[in-house]
Amino acid sequence: AQRVTQPEKLLSVFKGAPVELKCNYSYSGSPELFWYVQYSRQRLQLLLRHISRESIKGFTADLNKGETSFHLKKPFAQEEDSAMYYCALSGWGWGKLQFGAGTQVVVTP
Amino acid sequence: DVKVTQSSRYLVKRTGEKVFLECVQDMDHENMFWYRQDPGLGLRLIYFSYDVKMKEKGDIPEGYSVSREKKERFSLILESASTNQTSMYLCASSLTANTEAFFGQGTRLTVV
Repeated sequence: AQRVTQPEKLLSVFKGAPVELKCNYSYSGSPELFWYVQYSRQRLQLLLRHISRESIKGFTADLNKGETSFHLKKPFAQEEDSAMYYCALSGWGWGKLQFGAGTQVVVTP
Repeated sequence: DVKVTQSSRYLVKRTGEKVFLECVQDMDHENMFWYRQDPGLGLRLIYFSYDVKMKEKGDIPEGYSVSREKKERFSLILESASTNQTSMYLCASSLTANTEAFFGQGTRLTVV
């Protein structure tokens, strides 16, 4: 069965400190992995996807097929990074987009 | 700019009522999704549709049905609302499988 696991419900970090959000998945084929973000009182939006290999707002994520992980990292957290972050998976040609439980990030000054 | 619009931000309904949640997208997307969002559980897929009149069950379809008569509109129906369906409901659309999904602003449904 397809599954996305985000083990941390809450991450509290100080401004300027590194932040890493963990995401593990189970899927038998080659998945497409995404990170979505929801800022306070805003709609859910795409942060980045693994296939584009971009750095968005200083965040990067590397797909590790051996460990079936897609962790999100940022070297220096900012207060505006405080939000709910969701890891999501879609299988090629499949269409169904499956999300993890989410990680709330709080960045304190 | 892609727009996904949900018809209501807040709804309060009584137990046993039939409830319709409407979602419209304006970018000719093939795929449309309905999720419910609950604290600690994340987004759980209720139903998705990959074409007009086509639908697939998600992870938690019980108590729900959907309708997609036109490409731009995807409706979620609660046949007989119950208190455990009190939640935030999110609609989303994407151009094809594996492309970015765009979300609506959400409908906060309370069943009393």
